[in-house]
Amino acid sequence: KAGVTQTPRYLIKTRGQQVTLSCSPISGHRSVSWYQQTPGQGLQFLFEYFSETQRNKGNFPGRFSGRQFSNSRSEMNVSTLELGDSALYLCASSSRGTRENNEQFFGPGTRLTVL
Amino acid sequence: AQSVSQHNHHVILSEAASLELGCNYSYGGTVNLFWYVQYPGQHLQLLLKYFSGDPLVKGIKGFEAEFIKSKFSFNLRKPSVQWSDTAEYFCALGGFKTIFGAGTRLFVKA
Repeated sequence: KAGVTQTPRYLIKTRGQQVTLSCSPISGHRSVSWYQQTPGQGLQFLFEYFSETQRNKGNFPGRFSGRQFSNSRSEMNVSTLELGDSALYLCASSSRGTRENNEQFFGPGTRLTVL
Repeated sequence: AQSVSQHNHHVILSEAASLELGCNYSYGGTVNLFWYVQYPGQHLQLLLKYFSGDPLVKGIKGFEAEFIKSKFSFNLRKPSVQWSDTAEYFCALGGFKTIFGAGTRLFVKA
């Protein structure tokens, strides 16, 4: 099976711009979660989508949003970028069928730099 | 509220030394616990997981972890580390949203 893929791998933006990141889960996985990873804050949960619905949300401002398509691919959008948004954004997929199936498989991440 | 605490942020060991990384969690319900590893320049990948049953779980590359419910702990162990174990290790509490610990950076001296 192909793994989780994320595009683009690297991105440089300036403050005030917006950005869209994409994630393709493992085939058959219906759950996609997004995380922000920074040296200071570690891995922080952004949100989870399952069958096109946002099922869980972390403590991030409304500038961070996402969506999931019928093929389970997911996009994350950050509007009005701030310097502090510079981070590695990780996507993880899982099948979420049962408790035993909530093991998450991670993609390589998108490295976002905000100047 | 759910939380995960990893005691050591940086650990330096010599090859062949034994490893134990501490992890404590806070959650009142049924727990799913994980250890993930991130090797330099690579994806996060699963080392091992605990859902139920035997509290001593074995994972890949000789790692194991013990779930102690009374102590709310899920410590990671390896009897003899290798240089290739140099990585960052994350303990995680699974559920409707997965909560990660802050991570422990392990450096193994050759």
